[in-house]
Amino acid sequence: DTGVSQNPRHKITKRGQNVTFRCDPISEHNRLYWYRQTLGQGPEFLTYFQNEAQLEKSRLLSDRFSAERPKGSFSTLEIQRTEQGDSAMYLCASSLGGRGLEKLFFGSGTQLSVL
Amino acid sequence: DAKTTQPPSMDCAEGRAANLPCNHSTISGNEYVYWYRQIHSQGPQYIIHGLKNNETNEMASLIITEDRKSSTLILPHATLRDTAVYYCIGDQGAQKLVFGQGTRLTINP
Repeated sequence: DTGVSQNPRHKITKRGQNVTFRCDPISEHNRLYWYRQTLGQGPEFLTYFQNEAQLEKSRLLSDRFSAERPKGSFSTLEIQRTEQGDSAMYLCASSLGGRGLEKLFFGSGTQLSVL
Repeated sequence: DAKTTQPPSMDCAEGRAANLPCNHSTISGNEYVYWYRQIHSQGPQYIIHGLKNNETNEMASLIITEDRKSSTLILPHATLRDTAVYYCIGDQGAQKLVFGQGTRLTINP
């Protein structure tokens, strides 16, 4: 079990630039989630995929955010025209979705700083 | 999803049992109680979950009151590595966990 892998671990960008993060889930997991976490707060749900289908998006996910999971394996989260308010930890999680309960396995996150 | 209430912070001495309370008075009959923890600079880690009965695994025990309005997570012999933020979550199926602010547990030597 190699766990959920996220790259990069840290990203510093200037306001207005685009950034893309990658998440590699645990290989047999069909569900993949993106969360965002700011300092002192719990993680906030952004979106989730079952295989390649994006099944739910939070209202927090503005038009500048887009997530993909093209082949049902890895996923990317892109933020266009970054703003300082986008500075946060972006967490990816995966699970083996089915009829029953699921445990979410989280990666260590990508820390984004927008200057 | 049930709203949960946890104390913002707690302290516990190393080697003692850490008992973390959670109120979930609005929990519905088919909602499970999940506990996750987050150690500094890491993603959250699943600990345990339960519906009605008390549960125990290698990490912790979960005691749920008979009316299901509250629960307690027990770390039987806390170590310094258990210092973390602990989240109690009520959810029907874990498809979209909603995290609150959790309890910051500090284990003191």
